[in-house]
Amino acid sequence: NAGVTQTPKFQVLKTGQSMTLQCAQDMNHNSMYWYRQDPGMGLRLIYYSASEGTTDKGEVPNGYNVSRLNKREFSLRLESAAPSQTSVYFCASSDRSRQETQYFGPGTRLLVL
Amino acid sequence: GESVGLHLPTLSVQEGDNSIINCAYSNSASDYFIWYKQESGKGPQFIIDIRSNMDKRQGQRVTVLLNKTVKHLSLQIAATQPGDSAVYFCAPGQGNSGYSTLTFGKGTMLLVSP
Repeated sequence: NAGVTQTPKFQVLKTGQSMTLQCAQDMNHNSMYWYRQDPGMGLRLIYYSASEGTTDKGEVPNGYNVSRLNKREFSLRLESAAPSQTSVYFCASSDRSRQETQYFGPGTRLLVL
Repeated sequence: GESVGLHLPTLSVQEGDNSIINCAYSNSASDYFIWYKQESGKGPQFIIDIRSNMDKRQGQRVTVLLNKTVKHLSLQIAATQPGDSAVYFCAPGQGNSGYSTLTFGKGTMLLVSP
């Protein structure tokens, strides 16, 4: 049981390039989330998916898109990366029976030059 | 929106001491509060949670106290160990028909010296 996994672990992009961050969970959780964490700050919610087939904006959605591919996978896409998107990105998931507790992946460290 | 603040950005303790990490919140509608531990280079790890209808909850070496009157909660770690060194976040949340909405503050860094 790997929990929440994220790929890649680290990525360097040039301004304007695109990329997709992958997230998968093997806990059969209904809800999934994408956060970003900037130095010295807490996590800010980008997008979430309450259940398979639905996605909604969080606090900082601009510049991002998401896809809930199936119950296990939730991807985050940067269409045209900007230096302001340099951050650490965390994916999380939660189960309907214990919805308040989110379990986090190890993170993807993104540097946009 | 939710405002979550921490009184002590950095807390330094000696191994074996008890640690107390404080957290203030502003949204009185929060249904529950979760404490996460984040070690350097890793994702947040669930420690313990407490629902808004409780004022105390104990886990292994950790105790959460909730004072809704003053919108304050604390995480107490007994017999702190070097492995407890990390950033600790409190995250108030609200349930929403099967998914959760958490608000994270900046965190408190706990440094444990041997």
